[in-house]
Amino acid sequence: DAGITQSPRHKVTETGTPVTLRCHQTENHRYMYWYRQDPGHGLRLIHYSYGVKDTDKGEVSDGYSVSRSKTEDFLLTLESATSSQTSVYFCAISVKQWSYTFGSGTRLTVV
Amino acid sequence: GQQLNQSPQSMFIQEGEDVSMNCTSSSIFNTWLWYKQDPGEGPVLLIALYKAGELTSNGRLTAQFGITRKDSFLNISASIPSDVGIYFCAGFDQTGANNLFFGTGTRLTVIP
Repeated sequence: DAGITQSPRHKVTETGTPVTLRCHQTENHRYMYWYRQDPGHGLRLIHYSYGVKDTDKGEVSDGYSVSRSKTEDFLLTLESATSSQTSVYFCAISVKQWSYTFGSGTRLTVV
Repeated sequence: GQQLNQSPQSMFIQEGEDVSMNCTSSSIFNTWLWYKQDPGEGPVLLIALYKAGELTSNGRLTAQFGITRKDSFLNISASIPSDVGIYFCAGFDQTGANNLFFGTGTRLTVIP
């Protein structure tokens, strides 16, 4: 177990409200990622981080921001949630080269 | 982004049967990975492939990295009920950018 925890596991929020999802790791890995999973699209990268305060955009970053003030925590923020952001969000860490370990996911519903 | 085409989208098989699924890309990949996702959980790595032509096994699972570097397949032999889940191919492309691209998944149902 790579020690990766996502919170919350489920959230329902209203359109236009800000939402923050948290990913916490216990093993000091440098690289962390946020993906979203939608039917017919597999998993798509939103943002990733390669160290404290070092982040970069992924394939579907519009409408999302991230922060990493500590090695163990990677936060994903939806500044103003929209219905198109209803999805299952997964955090991942790079345990060794080319091998990612995923958290259990956060199911977000925007109503 | 990169498009990984995975087929079939879903499969219904009898317990004990063998399963084959594949993944193709329009561009060259340097690394191919196969993941399995159980309901309510994140994907778990099954097999990693690093060289064109490489054939790797993990128990009843066998995966190959295509010679053209644009495809990969996964075989599961003698399927059992716990093989049920969604199988994803994934890969890193030639750019070396730190972005793992995923296929759309194959949903496997095993009928006891």
